[in-house]
Amino acid sequence: RKEVEQDPGPFNVPEGATVAFNCTYSNSASQSFFWYRQDCRKEPKLLMSVYSSGNEDGRFTAQLNRASQYISLLIRDSKLSDSATYLCVVNMNAHRQDGGATNKLIFGTGTLLAVQP
Amino acid sequence: EADIYQTPRYLVIGTGKKITLECSQTMGHDKMYWYQQDPGMELHLIHYSYGVNSTEKGDLSSESTVSRIRTEHFPLTLESARPSHTSQYLCASSMRGLGGTEAFFGQGTRLTVV
Repeated sequence: RKEVEQDPGPFNVPEGATVAFNCTYSNSASQSFFWYRQDCRKEPKLLMSVYSSGNEDGRFTAQLNRASQYISLLIRDSKLSDSATYLCVVNMNAHRQDGGATNKLIFGTGTLLAVQP
Repeated sequence: EADIYQTPRYLVIGTGKKITLECSQTMGHDKMYWYQQDPGMELHLIHYSYGVNSTEKGDLSSESTVSRIRTEHFPLTLESARPSHTSQYLCASSMRGLGGTEAFFGQGTRLTVV
């Protein structure tokens, strides 16, 4: 089982539609969560962090369900410019070679969104 | 804009050559990462570092090696490039903190081994 799983899509939606992406993660001790956006042939960029209480930024809403190890991203009133790949990212605990602890950022496979005119 | 830089942006090189991909950040971030991404595919963590003189292997086995002699610099080396190494390599950095913080990415190096 992958550490972070997403539906790869593609999601083809008309302008103005509401679209929801889901993501599950395997490590219950994971501490922080993010949604990134990646445009074709570009580097990923942070869209928003995901807080336990849920958070909203304009048309975007992110939610976290720790009990179900599940995070979501909702995009309302989608625009053509929202077309991109949306990546779920989890900061997971990891063991160092010296026996200590650290953490590492693990990316989901990404969900491709195509907003149609 | 994030202050993290990768060079070269594009590299076409012959099989068997030794190459080093450079990554530098001026944000004072403790953590740095290398990801490998094929076109249209997911990012795979191949190496990461949580501070100077610390490196760890990621989840995807890689023939590359890394070093972290200075906080701001995290180069990746392939001793003998092969066509199977053709891919995009993305470097990222983040602050160390409880639970971790967001990562900033460089623009990537597109490597083609012929």
